[in-house]
This record gives sequence, C-alpha cells and structure tokens, in this order.
Amino acid sequence: DAGITQSPRHKVTETGTPVTLRCHQTENHRYMYWYRQDPGHGLRLIHYSYGVKDTDKGEVSDGYSVSRSKTEDFLLTLESATSSQTSVYFCAISERESSYNEQFFGPGTRLTVL
Amino acid sequence: SQKIEQNSEALNIQEGKTATLTCNYTNYSPAYLQWYRQDPGRGPVFLLLIRENEKEKRKERLKVTFDTTLKQSLFHITASQPADSATYLCALTNQAGTALIFGKGTTLSVSS
Repeated sequence: DAGITQSPRHKVTETGTPVTLRCHQTENHRYMYWYRQDPGHGLRLIHYSYGVKDTDKGEVSDGYSVSRSKTEDFLLTLESATSSQTSVYFCAISERESSYNEQFFGPGTRLTVL
Repeated sequence: SQKIEQNSEALNIQEGKTATLTCNYTNYSPAYLQWYRQDPGRGPVFLLLIRENEKEKRKERLKVTFDTTLKQSLFHITASQPADSATYLCALTNQAGTALIFGKGTTLSVSS
C-alpha cells in the first residue's frame, strides 16, 4: 500500500446521495485505476486514467464518473448512489501500461449504500 | 469477451506440500499474464508476470507456467507455509492492452 492512499476508508451513505472517493499517490505513476470487488465477481474495472484529464471506461462504468486534474489524485464519483454500488473499492496505479507492468493497489474503501 | 476462470474457489493443503493453482482463459490470447496475492481486508499485491514467450518463471518458492496452446497458467508454491494462506488472483490484459481482467481468485489455506 506504500505510496497510495484512499479516503475515506469506510463510508455509509443513503440511496440517492452523491459520493466521492479519493485516491492519492506519491509515486508519480502515469496510470491510475478504480476497481470494485464483490463476492462472486472478483475485481472489476470501473474507470482508468492514462494521464491528467485522460480517462476511459472500464467493464462496469455505468453510474460512475471519474476525474483526474493532477497526476497524484484520481477521484471516483457516484452521482446518485444505489444499493447495488455497495462494494469494496480499490484504487491501483502503474508506471506504464498495465499489460506488461504490475499494478500497485491501495488499501480499499468499503462503501455501504443503505 | 475475454473470460478468466480460476477453477478452484478454495484449496486446502498441508504445510510443506506444493500448492498448485490453475488459471484458464478463453476468447483471447494475452501477451502477458500476472498473478497477485490478496490478504483479507487488503488490496492485491503483485507477485509475478509471465510473457507469452516464457514457458516458466520462478521467484523464490513460487513458479508460474504459461501454456498458450492450452490457454492456461499454473501457479505453484513449493514447501508451502501457513503464511502462504491467502487468495491468489490471476490477471491478464484486455484485448486493447489497456487494462487488466482479473479472475475471481482461489483461496489457499495451508494447515500446519
């Protein structure tokens, strides 16, 4: 987890409220990723970023948006949280494109939507 | 779309034995395949990366094989220890080469 922090680490919110999760890195890595992890599904990519202001959708992007205004910060926003978005969210970073480079993961954020 | 299957959700072995975990994939031929370890309540940690032209790769007690004909990777832990108990994830690149697709993982329990 060194060099990557996620905030908050735990959050409980109500359906329909907006939620923003933050990922902060001190490694100056170009690529950043948001995943969600659910029992029976494993890790699934939500969105990723390949540079400041450069982002793209992953496998499960519906209901989520992201922003990256600085190299070190990658924000994940749930515009109107739903119970199906209850999950553990992981941020990851990689120095180069992930296909041939390992990813380093943050400690995770446990989000509960009531 | 690409699919990854780790065919055992759980594997229980005795200390000192070799653990072998399997990762199968379909619909795609990735150039690289990665293995990660995840402990409860923590993020995954990278272990090994193997390229399609590498048949085998080793790191200490870990060994990974990559058979592109069978579309399969095997992950071995020799002389297993209780500290090796964790969930192990297989990952390969998506077809665009821009992101990783993860398997659901195999939870290994090593008993003393």
